[in-house]
Amino acid sequence: EVQLLESGGGLVQPGGSLRLSCAASGFTFRSNAMSWVRQAPGKGLEWVSTITSGGGSTYYADSVKGRFTISRDTSKNTLSLQMNSLRVEDTAVYYCAKLRGQFYYHYYIDVWGKGTTVTVSS
Amino acid sequence: QSVLTQPPSVSGAPGQRVTISCTGSSSNIGADYDVHWYQQLPGTAPKLLIYENNNRPSGVPDRFSGSKSGSSASLAISGLQAEDEADYYCQSYDNSLSGRVFGGGTKLTVL
Repeated sequence: EVQLLESGGGLVQPGGSLRLSCAASGFTFRSNAMSWVRQAPGKGLEWVSTITSGGGSTYYADSVKGRFTISRDTSKNTLSLQMNSLRVEDTAVYYCAKLRGQFYYHYYIDVWGKGTTVTVSS
Repeated sequence: QSVLTQPPSVSGAPGQRVTISCTGSSSNIGADYDVHWYQQLPGTAPKLLIYENNNRPSGVPDRFSGSKSGSSASLAISGLQAEDEADYYCQSYDNSLSGRVFGGGTKLTVL
């Protein structure tokens, strides 16, 4: 069974840092692009970041560019999101997501994790 | 404001058919990028409902169907059931943003 298990969420002060992890199992991790998607309380989904299967290319939403860094460790089947200079508006549930599709521009999420909650508050 | 526009809410009685629209532009749906749909039941993570415009993953009932035309896409749900009450999101790629985008989401209420 394909599973994604996020960890690392918590309460952090504005300006602080947090590192999210996602443990992947049940599929060949190195073969799939992966992403982070977030959902602020009571709001819709926001695509945060994507990393290609080989890790050579990344994408960041403008709202997090320069502050967040996505990475993957194929030896540990783990996806990470390093979040620095956190802001109140980064408060959200962060979902780890496995991408699928024939071509990069047509990728979609076929498996979602259960999410981890990040709260940025003083 | 999302670049993909969805109605905030739709409703229907059990057994009825409802549609949810997803309106984009020439930089996303109109540029022939695929549209995908996700269902988010209350308090849970989203789940893939329709991929590549009109394909259903294994386990999704055939009551759910997707279509795409021009710069818009639609999700149709027939034979509404109480368990369909959820938030629904469309998703595509936008070449002006160079990234994937979601619609703002539509809350379906089964009356």
